[in-house]
This record gives sequence, structure tokens and C-alpha cells, in this order.
Amino acid sequence: QVQLQQWGAGLLKPSETLSLTCGVYDGSFSGYFWTWIRQPPGKGLEWIGEINHVPSINSNPSLKSRVIISVDTSKKQFSLRLTSVTAADTAVYYCARSLVPAGRGLAWFDPWGQGTLVTVSS
Amino acid sequence: DIQMTQSPSSLSASVGDRITITCRASQNIRTYLNWYQQKPGRAPKLLIYGASTLQSGVPSRFSGSGSETDFTLTISSLQPEDFAAYFCQQSYTAPLTFGGGTRVEIK
Repeated sequence: QVQLQQWGAGLLKPSETLSLTCGVYDGSFSGYFWTWIRQPPGKGLEWIGEINHVPSINSNPSLKSRVIISVDTSKKQFSLRLTSVTAADTAVYYCARSLVPAGRGLAWFDPWGQGTLVTVSS
Repeated sequence: DIQMTQSPSSLSASVGDRITITCRASQNIRTYLNWYQQKPGRAPKLLIYGASTLQSGVPSRFSGSGSETDFTLTISSLQPEDFAAYFCQQSYTAPLTFGGGTRVEIK
């Protein structure tokens, strides 16, 4: 059963770059879309973007200018970088798997990584 | 972006109660609607996809229905482990969007 394990820095200062990586274990890497989602404390979920092994990349227009999603298929890992962070980027960041790209209708998320709390504070 | 509106935002119920959570989309999303359960400090867990298909391993007391703009998640007999937050998500078009969540609390 595939598992996602994520890691990265949890405390950043404003204007720094958030960097997270998610590893895929006990499952196939190709043929799926690998996704980043975030959740500010006590709030709802926001889709950040996705990547596959090609790579084909899609991201949320609300964050697109600051989001960099990359993949290392040899390691079965994908990464998120978010530049110029502010306090508004404080959230739990999750990685997750989708069967199809966003907008193809059948894009649900399962499984999820354990989540990483990223706090932006001066 | 498609806006997803859940109601209520929270509810109190007792073990054994039947509860229904509603999710409304700002435009027709056919049946491209998914439901998740999230417990405190944990990642969301997929419950239902395609508006009504139960994910493998999810108890049959959970059910989903609806199409186009109006959807419901029903728990037929609330169990202690069901007290959690529930989110809907549309997968019709990018950017994918989620509802604001419904917190189910113990009465």
C-alpha cells in the first residue's frame, strides 16, 4: 500500500522560500499526479498544484507566480518551493496522490502525507 | 474558480443519530464531487468520490448523493469515531476547490 512521507523546514521568516519534499514508498510513481495542498490553522483546504513523472505541471493561479513544483523520478520524490512567503502562507502543507490531472473530473486525493506545519514569522 | 459552500459549518449530534451535510457548488460540476473526513492533527481521509462511490474500507453508514450543484453526505448512525471535520471537493475543473468544512461535535 503506497505511503507518502514528507519533510521540510517548519519555520521561515517573511520573504524566504518554503521548501518541502514528499517521498512515495511501496507504490508506483508513474501514472499518477502528485499534489500539494495546504490548510491554514483552523481553516479550509487549498489546492496548490500538481506534477507527474513527465513532468506535466499544473498550479493554482492564485499562487502560480510563486510556486515551483519539481520531481525526481529516480528517487520517487516530488517537491514544492514557494517563494517570498508571508504570514498568510502559514499552514499545514500536505502532499497527496491523484489518479488524473486537475480538471479531468476524477481527481480525488488518496493517500495523503502526514502534513508539515510551516510557520512564517519574523 | 468554482466556489464550494458547505452547511452547516458545525453541528452537534449524539451517537446513533443520522446526520446530513450539504455541499453546494457555484456551477454545475456533474458528479465530480468528493468527500473527506479529517480528525484533529491528521491528514484528510477520502470517504466518497464521484458523489456517491464509497472508497474501499469506508463503512457503509457513510453515503453520498447529488449531482450538478447540490450534494449531500449522510452518516446513517453516528459512531464515536465519526466525530471529525468533513470537507467536500470539486474535481470538475482546475483549480480544484474545497468546501469550508463541517465540524461534527458530540452533543
